Amino acid sequence: DQQVKQNSPSLSVQEGRISILNCDYTNSMFDYFLWYKKYPAEGPTFLISISSIKDKNEDGRFTVFLNKSAKHLSLHIVPSQPGDSAVYFCAAEVYGNTGKLIFGQGTTLQVKP
Amino acid sequence: GAVVSQHPSWVICKSGTSVKIECRSLDFQATTMFWYRQFPKQSLMLMATSNEGSKATYEQGVEKDKFLINHASLTLSTLTVTSAHPEDSSFYICSPVGSALYYGYTFGSGTRLTVV
Repeated sequence: DQQVKQNSPSLSVQEGRISILNCDYTNSMFDYFLWYKKYPAEGPTFLISISSIKDKNEDGRFTVFLNKSAKHLSLHIVPSQPGDSAVYFCAAEVYGNTGKLIFGQGTTLQVKP
Repeated sequence: GAVVSQHPSWVICKSGTSVKIECRSLDFQATTMFWYRQFPKQSLMLMATSNEGSKATYEQGVEKDKFLINHASLTLSTLTVTSAHPEDSSFYICSPVGSALYYGYTFGSGTRLTVV
């Protein structure tokens, strides 16, 4: 069963606008969530994370929102830039600071100039 | 901090041969190493977890005799794909974890394995 889901395989936005990437999870034991950016044939690059005790974390153009009751998190990128075009994965850490991550299927973001 | 080196970045091998992938943590000590793989257009899936000096634990469906993991030191772990077959063709990525929480979230650059 897919414990972390990214239901949108792709997203296309115009440069300068907001990109919103969504992620849902099913396991209430997850206590830490992360977003990664990935290019083909490269390892994932860490973007931003959020603890389950928070509902928002912001870092520059990136903001992650967590809705625990809905088991939903989202990544907002504003303003979007063409260099943001990549595959974005959300991941959840298995409870207990294990470093072991469960990934979603990924969303391909295309930012058009 | 948290520099990870993974080699080779890509490898092509003949069916039936073995391939070794190395993952090094260059500026921290990795007490645990996670190995993931990603098939084309799919998610990253955890294959196995190894702790320095002990045997690796494998996720369900991953053959331990095919994917040999050695974590002999705190800075080096290897994944050997034995008797490789075309269905083993995938993108393999390591993620070393040190004692500090921060180091739990860094990945190697990955290895593209193609078995012909």
